[in-house]
Amino acid sequence: QVEVVQSGAEVKQPGASVKVSCKASGYTFSDYYFHWVRQAPGQGLEWMAWINCNTGATKYAQKFQDRVTLTRDTSITTAFMEMRRLNTDDTATYFCARDDDYNRDNALDIWGQGTTVTVSS
Amino acid sequence: DMQMTQSPSSLSASVGDRVTITCRASQDIRHYLAWYQQKPGKVPKLLIYAASNLQPGVPSRFSGSGFGTDFTLTISSLQPEDVATYYCQKHENVPWAFGQGTKVEIK
Repeated sequence: QVEVVQSGAEVKQPGASVKVSCKASGYTFSDYYFHWVRQAPGQGLEWMAWINCNTGATKYAQKFQDRVTLTRDTSITTAFMEMRRLNTDDTATYFCARDDDYNRDNALDIWGQGTTVTVSS
Repeated sequence: DMQMTQSPSSLSASVGDRVTITCRASQDIRHYLAWYQQKPGKVPKLLIYAASNLQPGVPSRFSGSGFGTDFTLTISSLQPEDVATYYCQKHENVPWAFGQGTKVEIK
């Protein structure tokens, strides 16, 4: 069955980097994009960026352009989100979610379980 | 910057009531509007895509409408399991911005 499994919780100090993974199974990895969305405690959803899992092309929200890098490894059907220069405001749950490259009418239909990133000194 | 504005921010209704949530885009997004349901402590779930298309497996009491800048999510008969926060999202062109959410509770 279609499944997206994210890596486990992280605790980081301010100024550090974090890399979160998103492992896909049960479908053709390269037929989809992965988007990254975060949610601070008690807050709403914030869209961050997407990666085309076929070409590796990326697009970022302006506020994340300089600190976030998305990559993917097609051999292990896994997407990655790296965020640098973490600060306490980056404490949040980070979700990956897929988007169908062949049906542009579709939205984010399958989500990972979320990865909690805590930034604290 | 592109903005998605939902109203109300919260509502309380009785079981069986018809509930309507609106979402306004600051620019024309044609039909590229999705609705998600997020229950406390859970992962967001896609309900509606392309403004009015029901995601498979979603109960038919949920429906969406709208085009351009103004969109609506309707729950025709509110059920206890519908207690959640609902988000709209534009799903075309960067950024794929979300609305701020609407919290739905049972009166």
